[in-house]
Amino acid sequence: RKEVEQDPGPFNVPEGATVAFNCTYSNSASQSFFWYRQDCRKEPKLLMSVYSSGNEDGRFTAQLNRASQYISLLIRDSKLSDSATYLCVVNFRVGNTPLVFGKGTRLSVIA
Amino acid sequence: DAGITQSPRHKVTETGTPVTLRCHQTENHRYMYWYRQDPGHGLRLIHYSYGVKDTDKGEVSDGYSVSRSKTEDFLLTLESATSSQTSVYFCAISESPSGGYDTQYFGPGTRLTVL
Repeated sequence: RKEVEQDPGPFNVPEGATVAFNCTYSNSASQSFFWYRQDCRKEPKLLMSVYSSGNEDGRFTAQLNRASQYISLLIRDSKLSDSATYLCVVNFRVGNTPLVFGKGTRLSVIA
Repeated sequence: DAGITQSPRHKVTETGTPVTLRCHQTENHRYMYWYRQDPGHGLRLIHYSYGVKDTDKGEVSDGYSVSRSKTEDFLLTLESATSSQTSVYFCAISESPSGGYDTQYFGPGTRLTVL
C-alpha cells in the first residue's frame, strides 16, 4: 500500500520562528519527492522538489532521508505569509502511477 | 502560473443528476489528472489521462467517468451524482508521467455540492 504520513498540526508559531515538518512514506523504491503549499480554498502549488542531497530555496530547506524513509521541510524566519497547509508528495513510481499526497500539515504564523 | 482553467468553479446539484466538470489547459501537456479533496483525506486521484483518448482509473474512480477528445480538454462526469461526491475537484497537468523531477500543476478547483 502506498502511504504518505504527515503530522496534521496545526503548528502555531510566532513570526521569526523556525519550524520543521516531517513526512514518512511507505515505499523504499520511491524516486521523487515534493513539498506543495496550499492556501485556504486555493489549489496546491509546488513549493520545492526534494533532492537526495537536500536543497535550499531562501528560507526553506528540504531534506531526504532514504534509509528512514522520511522527508523534512524547514522554514526559517517564519513570515505571516507562510501560513498555509504544506503537503508532502511522493512519486511511488509504479508504471504511470501518479503522485501520492499526504493529508497536509497546517501552519499558522502569528504576529 | 500554468494555464489551467476549470469550469464551473462552483456548482450545486441534486442527487441523481448527471454532472460534467471541465478542465482546459493551454500548456500542451500530455498528462492530465482529476483529483478530489475532502476534509481528513489527502488529494485522491479519480482518473488520469496520458494522451488523447487514453485514460486510466485512479484510487477513487467508482461513480466517475472521463473523456479526452483533445489535448487541451479533460472532462470528468458524475453519471448520477450522490451526496458522497460533494467535494472540491482539482484538475492537474504534467509534462511527463511524474517520473524524475517533473511535477503537477493544478487548476483553481471546482466546489461541487450534491444535495
